[in-house]
Amino acid sequence: QKEVEQDPGPLSVPEGAIVSLNCTYSNSAFQYFMWYRQYSRKGPELLMYTYSSGNKEDGRFTAQVDKSSKYISLFIRDSQPSDSATYLCATTSFGGYQKVTFGTGTKLQVIP
Amino acid sequence: DAGVTQSPTHLIKTRGQQVTLRCSPISGHKSVSWYQQVLGQGPQFIFQYYEKEERGRGNFPDRFSARQFPNYSSELNVNALLLGDSALYLCASSYSRGRSTEQYFGPGTRLTVT
Repeated sequence: QKEVEQDPGPLSVPEGAIVSLNCTYSNSAFQYFMWYRQYSRKGPELLMYTYSSGNKEDGRFTAQVDKSSKYISLFIRDSQPSDSATYLCATTSFGGYQKVTFGTGTKLQVIP
Repeated sequence: DAGVTQSPTHLIKTRGQQVTLRCSPISGHKSVSWYQQVLGQGPQFIFQYYEKEERGRGNFPDRFSARQFPNYSSELNVNALLLGDSALYLCASSYSRGRSTEQYFGPGTRLTVT
């Protein structure tokens, strides 16, 4: 069993839809949680960084962490074609991005 | 301000050869991490260096090694290349070891082993 599970998709939504992306993890020691966006042939770009459980909002993006169920989510409101990319969840037990474990990524396509 | 830079962009090597990949972090960032990303998978953590010291190592064989220089740039070396080493190698830099919210990836070096 992988430490971080993520549905690879692909996920297709119409422009303006609310997108929900999810991951589960198995290691209860994980306490830092990240979401990255990766466009084709580019390096990942950090979108959201959260510590422990709770919600964090940044513009159209909301990250949620539920440590009791080991479940992390990213919501994208008013999705745009430019949001079409692969979204990677990631987590670590350590601060400073030590030993980060990534999910496989979910490919999102927002259709105009 | 320049982002994380990596060289070379692409590389083709033969099985058994050795390769060195290079990374320059964002100015002021003292931590560099290396990841391997196989097509269709998420990045896998290889190493992290902070202030020239190894701070973490992933589940990779001893054929993989790295170092960080006084100017915080870094090299990843892979010896005795295998076909399975073909991947995108990513470097990421971050500011500190604490609860940093800054981490930036470079564009990667695409390694093909034939």
